[in-house]
Amino acid sequence: SAVISQKPSRDICQRGTSLTIQCQVDSQVTMMFWYRQQPGQSLTLIATANQGSEATYESGFVIDKFPISRPNLTFSTLTVSNMSPEDSSIYLCSAPSAGNEQFFGPGTRLTVL
Amino acid sequence: GNSVTQMEGPVTLSEEAFLTINCTYTATGYPSLFWYVQYPGEGLQLLLKATKADDKGSNKGFEATYRKETTSFHLEKGSVQVSDSAVYFCALGDAGGTSYGKLTFGQGTILTVHP
Repeated sequence: SAVISQKPSRDICQRGTSLTIQCQVDSQVTMMFWYRQQPGQSLTLIATANQGSEATYESGFVIDKFPISRPNLTFSTLTVSNMSPEDSSIYLCSAPSAGNEQFFGPGTRLTVL
Repeated sequence: GNSVTQMEGPVTLSEEAFLTINCTYTATGYPSLFWYVQYPGEGLQLLLKATKADDKGSNKGFEATYRKETTSFHLEKGSVQVSDSAVYFCALGDAGGTSYGKLTFGQGTILTVHP
């Protein structure tokens, strides 16, 4: 199983600013995923981050709002840009194991004022 | 596209009661099915999984059987404990191609167990 860490664990930000969330995996993985969990809601996939190529975004999410970097096989960042209160959510990264199961980081709880 | 429908909550039970949380899915191909649990203030943890029809996943007294004929993956536990209070998510994983590794989640079911 993979051990995944995220930084920061939580943050409170002002509208119009940006926040970059870091995700570190303890082993090399080809794909990493970023999810959003809005308050009281389920998880929604934002994008797939592949090392060496552009991230692939799901419907309703765009690169200008959620730019992603994937500089190597153990690390990825997600930036939430030009934030509004509607961006207040928990953001989680994940990585798959050989069994197609996903291991998740602890999440970053973002509050936008 | 893929979708997962979970039993609406919240579910409130007394300790030692029997638990069932229903989950049905829509998918093409042969997806893997998962139950994840989110304890209060914690991250998402894999509870159990099944990768093909008739597989039974089990962990910590919880069980779920992959039923292709009814497209279901219901979660059961014979005797719940207060420590089982959490949010439970049913999820479907794409089998391959460009969607490999992506998960589609159900709405989540809040379980509260009272002593």
